[in-house]
Amino acid sequence: GAGVSQSPSNKVTEKGKDVELRCDPISGHTALYWYRQSLGQGLEFLIYFQGNSAPDKSGLPSDRFSAERTGGSVSTLTIQRTQQEDSAVYLCASSLNRNASPLHFGNGTRLTVT
Amino acid sequence: DQQVKQNSPSLSVQEGRISILNCDYTNSMFDYFLWYKKYPAEGPTFLISISSIKDKNEDGRFTVFLNKSAKHLSLHIVPSQPGDSAVYFCAASALGSQGNLIFGKGTKLSVKP
Repeated sequence: GAGVSQSPSNKVTEKGKDVELRCDPISGHTALYWYRQSLGQGLEFLIYFQGNSAPDKSGLPSDRFSAERTGGSVSTLTIQRTQQEDSAVYLCASSLNRNASPLHFGNGTRLTVT
Repeated sequence: DQQVKQNSPSLSVQEGRISILNCDYTNSMFDYFLWYKKYPAEGPTFLISISSIKDKNEDGRFTVFLNKSAKHLSLHIVPSQPGDSAVYFCAASALGSQGNLIFGKGTKLSVKP
């Protein structure tokens, strides 16, 4: 019974480089979310995918951030030209559907931009 | 502007006593509330939820109370155990919306043996 899997678990990158973070949701879960947690902050919503619908990108902080979900399963969050303020733990979650279903989180990717 | 507020960043409780974690919200459209627990280096795990049609939901040692008029909810843990030591996040959503959860900043609970 695999849960939500994220890779890598840790990523250190230089300012200005691009990074890709991967999320494998729980099989059968149609909804997929990306959140991030900066130091001392709560979980900040980034983007949400539901089935084949257009994603809700309202939480993406800038146009350097993008995400895709291929085949309704695996998702990739891409951050271009990383900045130091992008340093955070990026958490992926999935749920059976969008309504009244608890989110199941992965262990996150800790991104450090030097 | 924080829609979900956890005003206590930390709480320390003696083992066996009751832990009460509080959460306030500002958006009257929220109608579904959840509590998540997070250990270091792990993702949050779902603990308990409540919809706005109820004012109490109980699951073992965990009870969530909802006061809609005050826009306030609380999580009671009794009796508290050292393994309950973690960061607890309150989250809210409006079921009629896209459903993304809005989280508070969390309260770090320490249960002393």
